Amino acid sequence: AQSVTQLDSQVPVFEEAPVELRCNYSSSVSVYLFWYVQYPNQGLQLLLKYLSGSTLVKGINGFEAEFNKSQTSFHLRKPSVHISDTAEYFCAVSEAKAAGNKLTFGGGTRVLVKP
Amino acid sequence: EPEVTQTPSHQVTQMGQEVILRCVPISNHLYFYWYRQILGQKVEFLVSFYNNEISEKSEIFDDQFSVERPDGSNFTLKIRSTKLEDSAMYFCASSSGRASGAFFGQGTRLTVV
Repeated sequence: AQSVTQLDSQVPVFEEAPVELRCNYSSSVSVYLFWYVQYPNQGLQLLLKYLSGSTLVKGINGFEAEFNKSQTSFHLRKPSVHISDTAEYFCAVSEAKAAGNKLTFGGGTRVLVKP
Repeated sequence: EPEVTQTPSHQVTQMGQEVILRCVPISNHLYFYWYRQILGQKVEFLVSFYNNEISEKSEIFDDQFSVERPDGSNFTLKIRSTKLEDSAMYFCASSSGRASGAFFGQGTRLTVV
């Protein structure tokens, strides 16, 4: 079984400042890692994913994340946020060799970008 | 851009009633899922569906729940006898494969009164 911990439930940040959202996971098998964003009153949108290879992955809207196997982390970063980045962000894992691709989610981090 | 669509967006039902939540996955996807999010809690996996059968289900997905793909486009979640604790946002998702990531619909907010 996998578990995902997002250490910060809320992150306030000023516009044009950098932001980092922390995600740690636990799994006894190899996993795929994902970040999703949920804007108010909308569904979950895939930001980026890590499957294998380069540990730095780039996603949509200027976000990137770095996979660190030794620290079992997959932190999400953006060098300069916009007001429109105000949303809830979810880290998720799935078992790499499982047929169903079931996602296990963290509790989410609410990002509030202030002008 | 193709998207997953869910109907209705909000459903209010009385305890003990049956509800059917509907989803139209992305057309060339092969894997279909239901997740739910109780207010203030994590998004939780309910069930995955592949090749016209359930491939995995969670402990939440008991005999009160069922899924169906009645035709080539729809994917439904039925709750036979709703309880107050079934109140949640229910998300449908689909994917083309294990490594593609799942694409989510906008959700159906189910309120059981």
